[in-house]
Order: sequence, then structure tokens, then C-alpha cells
Amino acid sequence: AQSVSQHNHHVILSEAASLELGCNYSYGGTVNLFWYVQYPGQHLQLLLKYFSGDPLVKGIKGFEAEFIKSKFSFNLRKPSVQWSDTAEYFCAVTPGNSGNTPLVFGKGTRLSVIA
Amino acid sequence: GAVVSQHPSWVICKSGTSVKIECRSLDFQATTMFWYRQFPKQSLMLMATSNEGSKATYEQGVEKDKFLINHASLTLSTLTVTSAHPEDSSFYICSARAGDRRNEKLFFGSGTQLSVL
Repeated sequence: AQSVSQHNHHVILSEAASLELGCNYSYGGTVNLFWYVQYPGQHLQLLLKYFSGDPLVKGIKGFEAEFIKSKFSFNLRKPSVQWSDTAEYFCAVTPGNSGNTPLVFGKGTRLSVIA
Repeated sequence: GAVVSQHPSWVICKSGTSVKIECRSLDFQATTMFWYRQFPKQSLMLMATSNEGSKATYEQGVEKDKFLINHASLTLSTLTVTSAHPEDSSFYICSARAGDRRNEKLFFGSGTQLSVL
């Protein structure tokens, strides 16, 4: 079965610091990859997604993620975080060659940005 | 860690019938649960937010009379797809929110694949 690992449970950064959140998955075939964000009190929002093509994906709010197939990774990055980036971040995966499986989510990484 | 159980994981039904999907938080109380629909090779679409003891809040474009949501207890929310049609075939995923606003955490069910014939 597929699994998604987000090794950082809680990350605390100062404003303007750079961010990198790790995401590794276990599926060996073609995958679709997603990063979602949940701001306090809100539901999930899609930050970015990768289906194919350029492995460096640009998302909303200055986020980007890089798909490294050899490492089974899809790490999320942002060069300079803001206080408003405080949220929970979820990585999710689904096989890319089939539309018949649900998204598998990681357990999430909480980001706290302090002034 | 907290677990959200979603049942059934897979259901096939005839067009015109109703299907109920359950979402249970197994070791925590979830005052809020979310229901999402996942289209093939696409991301999630929020259908509704379910709050215990009150009416669900539906997103624009989601028919509340077709997708009935009940959140009767702090550990159970149900989504009933009424008079299902083939276009309702999809994955439905629930998530449950644990904790308060300062320390909340979202947990996901494993999804329900609905196939309407």
C-alpha cells in the first residue's frame, strides 16, 4: 500500500527564514503529487500539484515544490516565510496512471512562523 | 495517533438508489468534519463542512438535497448520496478536525469509492 511520510511534525521559523518541508512517498510507479495547506480554523486549500513535465512546480503564495523521482520526494519550499504562512501542510499522493485510487495523505507538518 | 475511520471503502449501487458513507473519529471528538470529493487525477473539492449538532455548510454548487450530511455526534458524520446517478461516481473523502483553534489537527479517512451503475 502507498504511504506518505512527512518527517517534520512541527517546524518553527522566524519571519523571512527559508522553508523546506519534506515529503516522501512509497509508491514505485508514476504518481500525482499534491501539497495542501490548512490555515487555522479553515479547510484544506491546494497549494500546488505535479502531474508530469517540469519537476519544479510553482504554486500559490510563493510556494514551490520539486519532484525528485530517484528520491521518491516532493519537498515544499518557500524562500521567505511570513507570519501568515502559519498553518498545517499536507503532502498527498495518488498513482498517476489510474484514476481509481484515493489520495493518500501524510500526517501533516505544522509550521509556526514567529515575528 | 488519532484515527478517522471511513466506511465503506467501496460501494457499487444502482442508479436511483441512496448510499450512506460514514466517517468516525475513533479516539477523539471532532466538532468539525469536512467532506471532499476527489475527481480522477484531480485534487479535492470541498463539498461541505459538517458541525456537530448543526446544519452542514455546503460549498457553492453542491446540492444539499442530494448530498445529505448529518453530524449527530462528536464522533460520527454521515454523507448520504440520495438518488445516485452515474455522474456521482467518485471518491469521497472525509476529514475530522481535532483540538481547538490553537492546536487543531486534521485527520483523513481512507476514502470511499462510489460507483453508480
